[in-house]
Amino acid sequence: SQQGEEDPQALSIQEGENATMNCSYKTSINNLQWYRQNSGRGLVHLILIRSNEREKHSGRLRVTLDTSKKSSSLLITASRAADTASYFCATVTLYSGGGADGLTFGKGTHLIIQP
Amino acid sequence: DTAVSQTPKYLVTQMGNDKSIKCEQNLGHDTMYWYKQDSKKFLKIMFSYNNKELIINETVPNRFSPKSPDKAHLNLHINSLELGDSAVYFCASSQLGGTSAPPQYFGPGTRLTVL
Repeated sequence: SQQGEEDPQALSIQEGENATMNCSYKTSINNLQWYRQNSGRGLVHLILIRSNEREKHSGRLRVTLDTSKKSSSLLITASRAADTASYFCATVTLYSGGGADGLTFGKGTHLIIQP
Repeated sequence: DTAVSQTPKYLVTQMGNDKSIKCEQNLGHDTMYWYKQDSKKFLKIMFSYNNKELIINETVPNRFSPKSPDKAHLNLHINSLELGDSAVYFCASSQLGGTSAPPQYFGPGTRLTVL
């Protein structure tokens, strides 16, 4: 089953504006990660927020995590044309018997920055 | 230097053929992964592997098999290719893995087209 669900599926804004994307997940997590994927390329890790953290910053990125609501948001401030990409949240499924699998991704938000 | 590399970048083949995709990482990571991204950009974990354990997503057909000649390589073998196997396949690696859920580093992807 899909762990992460991003919202919105697509977002188009003007350069310089802020972009906010949301993610919901279903199971217990150790951390939640955000990745960017430019068209035709592999995924690039942006930021990781641990389950005991509520907010984290990295440059123009701000991530929040609400474990009670099982949700996270990614804010990109002062957007640039180069930020045009798909953004995915990802978590690891923790098995009750121990162990874990690779990352489970949501469907992503396609962000378009209009110059 | 490329951290995670995959070959080939494009692979076009006929139904029923057997093919392999190679993946190499030079990051010294001990866990590697294969993901499948479908036409709607949905990413799904197929395998995670370190030198101790292979975890297989139960939905992956047994026509798919990972082979690791050494710690830096995890190749993907696909037998009896089907039309539905057409997708982009991504290799990734991370230091450790499992429940610690560290950031993953992705290769550029291999676009497989089955005719």
